Amino acid sequence: QKEVEQNSGPLSVPEGAIASLNCTYSDRGSQSFFWYRQYSGKSPELIMSIYSNGDKEDGRFTAQLNKASQYVSLLIRDSQPSDSATYLCAVKDTGRRALTFGSGTRLQVQP
Amino acid sequence: DAGITQSPRYKITETGRQVTLMCHQTWSHSYMFWYRQDLGHGLRLIYYSAAADITDKGEVPDGYVVSRSKTENFPLTLESATRSQTSVYFCASKGMAGASYEQYFGPGTRLTVT
Repeated sequence: QKEVEQNSGPLSVPEGAIASLNCTYSDRGSQSFFWYRQYSGKSPELIMSIYSNGDKEDGRFTAQLNKASQYVSLLIRDSQPSDSATYLCAVKDTGRRALTFGSGTRLQVQP
Repeated sequence: DAGITQSPRYKITETGRQVTLMCHQTWSHSYMFWYRQDLGHGLRLIYYSAAADITDKGEVPDGYVVSRSKTENFPLTLESATRSQTSVYFCASKGMAGASYEQYFGPGTRLTVT
């Protein structure tokens, strides 16, 4: 059973701080990784994808990937109250075009 | 541009009844997926489809049936609903372009089985 693990939180950070969200995965052959944001009562929204080891930056978001450690993270700089949501880590399954999702980390940004 | 839509958005049904959840996408994406989301379990894949008339089981397929006669539609049927199928159901799709596996989600259907 392929697994994607996330701390459920809540992770509470003050406005303007850096929020760090972490994810580990069990499938060593995985090559594609995604971060989705989900507001309460809404559907998941893709915010980042990363395929290579290292960092990938997009605005205030930075995704970090370490395949040797089977670890993916998402950094949110200058956190805003509007960033308060659940963040889902997703990993593409080897052998099929489907994703396995973690259960998500709830982020709370305090004004 | 509607993208991906689901209907109904909310449904209450009784145990034993048949229920069909609809999913429609306007992007001509090849792949479509059905997930359920429950507290403590995150998103779990029920079924997916690579193209019209091609479907495959996901992690939790028992009690569900899918079909895909047209590329744009991917209905999910609960043949005899049970209380354990109370959940939020999301449909998603992705294109064939390159090595991208990015999926895009519909708004969801909240199903309650009484």
